[in-house]
Amino acid sequence: EAEVAQSPRYKITEKSQAVAFWCDPISGHATLYWYRQILGQGPELLVQFQDESVVDDSQLPKDRFSAERLKGVDSTLKIQPAELGDSAMYLCASSLLEDTGELFFGEGSRLTVL
Amino acid sequence: GENVEQHPSTLSVQEGDSAVIKCTYSDSASNYFPWYKQELGKRPQLIIDIRSNVGEKKDQRIAVTLNKTAKHFSLHITETQPEDSAVYFCAAQKRDMRFGAGTRLTVKP
Repeated sequence: EAEVAQSPRYKITEKSQAVAFWCDPISGHATLYWYRQILGQGPELLVQFQDESVVDDSQLPKDRFSAERLKGVDSTLKIQPAELGDSAMYLCASSLLEDTGELFFGEGSRLTVL
Repeated sequence: GENVEQHPSTLSVQEGDSAVIKCTYSDSASNYFPWYKQELGKRPQLIIDIRSNVGEKKDQRIAVTLNKTAKHFSLHITETQPEDSAVYFCAAQKRDMRFGAGTRLTVKP
């Protein structure tokens, strides 16, 4: 069964360092999401792509976060510089349909900022 | 953007009892309402969903109801079992998918 791939699974870094997460969605899924999930809370949407275009990045802290999906397939989420409050699980999800449809989540990348 | 509120934040029931989780949404244009289950340390997984042209949907012990006028929808789990223990998230989508804060359900044997 096809799955969303994410790496790394775990990342420990010191504040002010740069961090990058990678996501490879299920083949054929045009919609890709990056969510941040703080322990005990719901997933918070950071950015949504439709193919290579950004659909929504209104909650992405653009002073330190950036996301790209250059060829409309895999995607990278970058944080520079990392802050203590960025410690969280970063979940990538993909969907076949843009407006309605099941999201398939990756296993996530757990970030700890020291 | 869409705002989704979910309650209760925690829910404890006895095995065999029913559990109900409620969500409200703010954007009347939202047209897709899924529910996800997240077990400890695992990724969220879809358990049931409903679209705006339907008022109720059932899948074995799980059902979802939608009231578009009031902009709220609910998850109903009947005959709960210990393996139903998890965190449940509601979500609403117009174009982007926004999640509620989650409900931690504990089913006591």
